[in-house]
Formats: sequence, structure tokens, C-alpha cells
Amino acid sequence: EPEVTQTPSHQVTQMGQEVILRCVPISNHLYFYWYRQILGQKVEFLVSFYNNEISEKSEIFDDQFSVERPDGSNFTLKIRSTKLEDSAMYFCASSWPGTGLNNEQFFGPGTRLTVL
Amino acid sequence: DAKTTQPPSMDCAEGRAANLPCNHSTISGNEYVYWYRQIHSQGPQYIIHGLKNNETNEMASLIITEDRKSSTLILPHATLRDTAVYYCIVRVLYSGGYQKVTFGTGTKLQVIP
Repeated sequence: EPEVTQTPSHQVTQMGQEVILRCVPISNHLYFYWYRQILGQKVEFLVSFYNNEISEKSEIFDDQFSVERPDGSNFTLKIRSTKLEDSAMYFCASSWPGTGLNNEQFFGPGTRLTVL
Repeated sequence: DAKTTQPPSMDCAEGRAANLPCNHSTISGNEYVYWYRQIHSQGPQYIIHGLKNNETNEMASLIITEDRKSSTLILPHATLRDTAVYYCIVRVLYSGGYQKVTFGTGTKLQVIP
């Protein structure tokens, strides 16, 4: 069964450093998403991406964040200057642009980001 | 998207049916009921969704009341691997296919041996 993959599984960085989290969505999917989950809290939407541009972003997704689809397979989330409060699990998701009952989102296993 | 209310936690004996309730009294006519689950620290996993008819797939059944103000997710024979947080989400299905998922706090289901 096709699946969303994410690398690395765990990233440790120093405050102020840039990090890039990588995702490989399911190959025929066209909608891509990033979510995050701070330990013990809800899963929160960050951003959605379609046709090489951001479709929607939350208030969490400020100027420190950016997303990119650098090639036909990868989808990345960059945090320019990490803060302690960026420590969280980051989940990538993708979906097929079908209508009706066929556009559920498939989530990756997540990258645990720890900012020291 | 309409608000949902779920119990914070439930227990279920292994092998028995787990019935997870969800209230969505403000649901509108074009909103679907979705269920996802999150096994500890893993990515959320889609389970099932429906509009007004009951739905069944290989994972679960979804029973939606006639007035659509509440629904129940049924795991027919719960196993220890079904221990997870279950999220009931109500949302519109846009024709373009893009949609974010807004997660609440869900129900923590503990399957007991």
C-alpha cells in the first residue's frame, strides 16, 4: 500500500538554526499539507500546498516557515530560525484531488523536532 | 466546520465491540462526518467518513443518526492495536479536493486485555 514517508524521524537542532523537514507524498497525490503536534497537545494545521503554491496557511505559519516542492517527489518544510517553541512532531500529509469520497488525507509517520 | 463533542476517554475489553460516540448538533446539510485515529506518536490515520447513510469498511462502521446530530464509530472486535486517540471531525467536502483537517482533542480509547 502506498504511504507518505518523512525524513529524518528525529531532528535535534540549536535555537536559531535552520532546519528542513522532508516528505515524500504518495506519488499520484496533488495536495500536500504540513501539521504539527506539540507534545500533549492537539494536531494543528500549518499549511496546504497545491499546484506549486500555498492554498491556505494558519497563523502559526509565519515568515519563519516556508514550503517547497523542489522536484516531482519531495515536499519540504523549512524553518529559518528555530525557536524553543518549534519543538514538536511535524506531520506531512497528502491527498488525491478527487471529489466525493476519495480525497481523504494520508499522513506520514512524522519528524520529531527538538530545539535546544 | 461544525463543532464536535466526544468523551475524553473510554475503555473496551479486547475482542468486544468499541462504540465511540460523537455529537455534532450544529452540523449543516453539506458537512460530512470523518473519523481519524492516532496511535501513540504516529501520524493520524483516516478510518471512515459518511454523509447520512451508515458506512462500513474493513476497519470500522459508522452509524449516523437520522437527524445527523450524532454518530457512532464502531470497531467490531477491538484489539490491543486499536488503542489510540479517535477524532471525530465534521467538514464540508469541497469539489476541488483540497481540505485541511481540524483536529479536536478526541477520545482516548484504551483496549484492555
